[in-house]
Amino acid sequence: GAGVSQSPSNKVTEKGKDVELRCDPISGHTALYWYRQSLGQGLEFLIYFQGNSAPDKSGLPSDRFSAERTGGSVSTLTIQRTQQEDSAVYLCASSERVEYAFFGQGTRLTVV
Amino acid sequence: AQSVTQLDSHVSVSEGTPVLLRCNYSSSYSPSLFWYVQHPNKGLQLLLKYTSAATLVKGINGFEAEFKKSETSFHLTKPSAHMSDAAEYFCVVSDRRDDKIIFGKGTRLHILP
Repeated sequence: GAGVSQSPSNKVTEKGKDVELRCDPISGHTALYWYRQSLGQGLEFLIYFQGNSAPDKSGLPSDRFSAERTGGSVSTLTIQRTQQEDSAVYLCASSERVEYAFFGQGTRLTVV
Repeated sequence: AQSVTQLDSHVSVSEGTPVLLRCNYSSSYSPSLFWYVQHPNKGLQLLLKYTSAATLVKGINGFEAEFKKSETSFHLTKPSAHMSDAAEYFCVVSDRRDDKIIFGKGTRLHILP
């Protein structure tokens, strides 16, 4: 596709359940980022993949959060045992080296 | 390591008056700098970017920003605010050595009629 695609666009889950959020970056983009935007908050960096390098996981808020990127393309962000404070919009972005990031529309996660 | 600080969480201006959204950055290497805008219930949109060419960068919708290395600033300005400018604005720094992108906390711009 022409842009970064995220799925699902909306996800409602029960507290304690696991969720998987998917990101399809723009073809050929080596860098992929995950951010989180909570209500009334700014963008919070979560994790960054660059090519075949080890990902920068410094922004993951707890060990319930993990992400992988298969074949240098699609990425999945997994949240285990979801909590209400995990409710947010999760944004994925991709970029070529030194170019600006293209963002997906986000996945709105609601934990009830 | 790079960081970015947006000095105001909220800015209110009257329609037709100038807009100034402040951003200071820290980068150990030559940075790329960006401003993004997010309108309510919309995705992020690139407003403008600086990547070591001209220090005064013009973006969409009449916005511009000036890179000032001596002040480590990249403030966003617009001569005359419009109601449609009401949105959240994010200043972003990217270290060109590793392309890690760091967002500021955002500034919410309110336009008063």
